[in-house]
Amino acid sequence: DTGVSQNPRHKITKRGQNVTFRCDPISEHNRLYWYRQTLGQGPEFLTYFQNEAQLEKSRLLSDRFSAERPKGSFSTLEIQRTEQGDSAMYLCASSWGHDDTEAFFGQGTRLTVV
Amino acid sequence: KNQVEQSPQSLIILEGKNCTLQCNYTVSPFSNLRWYKQDTGRGPVSLTIMTFSENTKSNGRYTATLDADTKQSSLHITASQLSDSASYICVVSALRGANNLFFGTGTRLTVIP
Repeated sequence: DTGVSQNPRHKITKRGQNVTFRCDPISEHNRLYWYRQTLGQGPEFLTYFQNEAQLEKSRLLSDRFSAERPKGSFSTLEIQRTEQGDSAMYLCASSWGHDDTEAFFGQGTRLTVV
Repeated sequence: KNQVEQSPQSLIILEGKNCTLQCNYTVSPFSNLRWYKQDTGRGPVSLTIMTFSENTKSNGRYTATLDADTKQSSLHITASQLSDSASYICVVSALRGANNLFFGTGTRLTVIP
């Protein structure tokens, strides 16, 4: 297992276009998180899955954002009608089981909206 | 309100010198505290994790301390190397809640030759 994998690593898109990112967590990790990080800031929570169930969504996740984890394995994050303010690093993390287990992060997807 | 604050915001040190980064938190109920290293353009990588009962934990040249009474933690880097240049993020976990990870904004460390 090579850790949490995110694709693509970089995405440049025009304002108004839709984009979709993929996260493949570590095998058998039941928890999956999406975060957004802007330059010089710590990651901000977007949403959380336990298996295939999306248990929590941040208020940052406007109706233009949608996340899925259909089979409890990989997850996708889609942004519709992108805006310049969506430009950020989108990080995915996964963990197993209990609260004190480590969250492993992917390399992130850098989105630039022009 | 659950918050994590880090200081300094940025730090520049000479190669070979030591430095200490600070993290104060108000997260409750507390589960654990982790320090992550994040290289530019990459995801965070865990350095240490400490639970309530642990006062100190080392990982090579990195030593983290935790004072659960004052809700403070520090990360000490010994004999810094150029490759230590990165952002160091303090993450505190709460015992409950799906969104139970609270992030500091990080300290940007630059090690110069």
